Amino acid sequence: DAGITQSPRHKVTETGTPVTLRCHQTENHRYMYWYRQDPGHGLRLIHYSYGVKDTDKGEVSDGYSVSRSKTEDFLLTLESATSSQTSVYFCAISEEGAESPLHFGNGTRLTVT
Amino acid sequence: RKEVEQDPGPFNVPEGATVAFNCTYSNSASQSFFWYRQDCRKEPKLLMSVYSSGNEDGRFTAQLNRASQYISLLIRDSKLSDSATYLCVVNGDTDKLIFGTGTRLQVFP
Repeated sequence: DAGITQSPRHKVTETGTPVTLRCHQTENHRYMYWYRQDPGHGLRLIHYSYGVKDTDKGEVSDGYSVSRSKTEDFLLTLESATSSQTSVYFCAISEEGAESPLHFGNGTRLTVT
Repeated sequence: RKEVEQDPGPFNVPEGATVAFNCTYSNSASQSFFWYRQDCRKEPKLLMSVYSSGNEDGRFTAQLNRASQYISLLIRDSKLSDSATYLCVVNGDTDKLIFGTGTRLQVFP
């Protein structure tokens, strides 16, 4: 299995608080992605990165920011958590962007109360 | 029209049956196609890539039909352990892969 670690695995937080999720990879892959998965919507792309300090928005980026200061780490921040951001968040990596398959971390289950 | 569409199912089949899923995509310029499997409350895992000429991996066969813009997954001799949700994935613009919402398969004894 690809070396991808997400932390925390579970988190409960209150509305209005900032939250940061971490994704760490040991594969030295250039591309990293953050998805959220909700019933009826499938996996939706939040943000992705195509290199250190190079990031771009996905289809559901509002309310989220990302940073990638090292190849191995990709952070997702919810600036002010809302109940609509309760979801399962998956980090994924790939070698060649959309030309190669994604490999996923175990996911972070976030609940915003 | 959604970029990637799948029948949500569920497909309920007996062990040993053959079952097929289709997935349609809207971007005629798409070049990368994959099938993923996702078990309940787990991360998606790559099942197989889909190549232009079609490809097979054991009991699983994937096909691409560019003219009609769909890909298919055929599972032969279904096992109980095949019960899962199968996600179709297609590349969209730039470096993004677009996921279908998945087709649920339930194999019963």
